[in-house]
Amino acid sequence: DSGVTQTPKHLITATGQRVTLRCSPRSGDLSVYWYQQSLDQGLQFLIQYYNGEERAKGNILERFSAQQFPDLHSELNLSSLELGDSALYFCASSRGANVLTFGAGSRLTVL
Amino acid sequence: GQQVMQIPQYQHVQEGEDFTTYCNSSTTLSNIQWYKQRPGGHPVFLIQLVKSGEVKKQKRLTFQFGEAKKNSSLHITATQTTDVGTYFCAGGGATNKLIFGTGTLLAVQP
Repeated sequence: DSGVTQTPKHLITATGQRVTLRCSPRSGDLSVYWYQQSLDQGLQFLIQYYNGEERAKGNILERFSAQQFPDLHSELNLSSLELGDSALYFCASSRGANVLTFGAGSRLTVL
Repeated sequence: GQQVMQIPQYQHVQEGEDFTTYCNSSTTLSNIQWYKQRPGGHPVFLIQLVKSGEVKKQKRLTFQFGEAKKNSSLHITATQTTDVGTYFCAGGGATNKLIFGTGTLLAVQP
């Protein structure tokens, strides 16, 4: 157990739908990162939050949004889902020096 | 934008053979990190290198950071079946983004 908790572990939904992935960072970590991992794209950086504020943005689609709440947990919202959004979504947290602790991931399947 | 490439994409070795993966960034990095992802698992941090030319060892693993801070390598001596997985480098640049390399999948045959 890495200390980073992601829910749900698995999610199956249909095209056009909206889902929310949740992440609780490791105790004491202020930064939360979201990555998308699909077979042909490796680990793609989506977005980073630090203590509730957006810190860095990657290639995150406009259909995707995220936020970090005062209790430091984060949510990644994916809307108007397409088949190509099927992937493993990882959340990671860090205390400093950008060293990441990853959660177990949320596997999203869009049918 | 910043790109981090790794070669090879895949390597199959016999147990006991050595293995090396190479990481190249399109831009100068402030630091390089290495992660290992076991099949079905999540990436796990291995090490961070910060200084130009830095070399660090962890048992059978040797990590190097290039002099120009644009490339890095991971060498495993005498591979074991427990070394199986995908090895990712991740480059930290001027922004806060940590960009992961394309990864090298290592298969070890007993």
